[in-house]
Amino acid sequence: EVQLVESGGGLVQPGRSLRLSCAASGFTFDDYAMHWVRQTPGKGLEWVSGISWNSGSIDYADSVKGRFTISRDNAKNSLYLQMNSLGAEDTALYYCARDIFTVLRGVADYWGQGSLVTVSS
Amino acid sequence: EIVMTQSPATLSVSPGERATLSCRASQSVSNNLAWYQQKPGQAPRLLIYGASTRATGIPARFSGSGSGTEFTLTISSLQSEDFAVYYCQQYNNWLRTFGQGTKLEIK
Repeated sequence: EVQLVESGGGLVQPGRSLRLSCAASGFTFDDYAMHWVRQTPGKGLEWVSGISWNSGSIDYADSVKGRFTISRDNAKNSLYLQMNSLGAEDTALYYCARDIFTVLRGVADYWGQGSLVTVSS
Repeated sequence: EIVMTQSPATLSVSPGERATLSCRASQSVSNNLAWYQQKPGQAPRLLIYGASTRATGIPARFSGSGSGTEFTLTISSLQSEDFAVYYCQQYNNWLRTFGQGTKLEIK
């Protein structure tokens, strides 16, 4: 059974950093590209970042470019999102999601349950 | 940025009836369009990709059509478990974008 389990969310002050992790199991992790997608009640679903199977291709939404860094460790079956210079606009539920392709496309067939990030003083 | 616009915002349909949801892209996305279903407290679930290809395990009552800028998700005979929020998403562009969602509610 495919499982994606996010961790690392929480309450953080504006301007600080946070690192999200996603532990993958039930499939061959390095056969798939991976994504982070966030959701807020006001803005709905927003794609944040994606990474190909071998980290050779990485994309970011303009709203996080230069502040967030996606990475993966195929040996540990894990996906990460380093989030720096956080602002209130980054408050959201962050999902880890698997692409149906090996290359970076953007169709997510499995999703975790999400990790809540709240940016507030 | 490609803007995805879904209509209507809310759709009220009776069980057993057909539901038709629309999604429009601000520029052509070819057939690089996916549909997701989301229920309260759950993560989105992939229904359709490539505009018309059903994802693994998705019932045949779900079908997608369209290309370019106009897309449709049709649910042929609504079951109780189909009442949820539906999102379209384009992946033609490196900046993947979602529509704002259509809430499908019981009439």
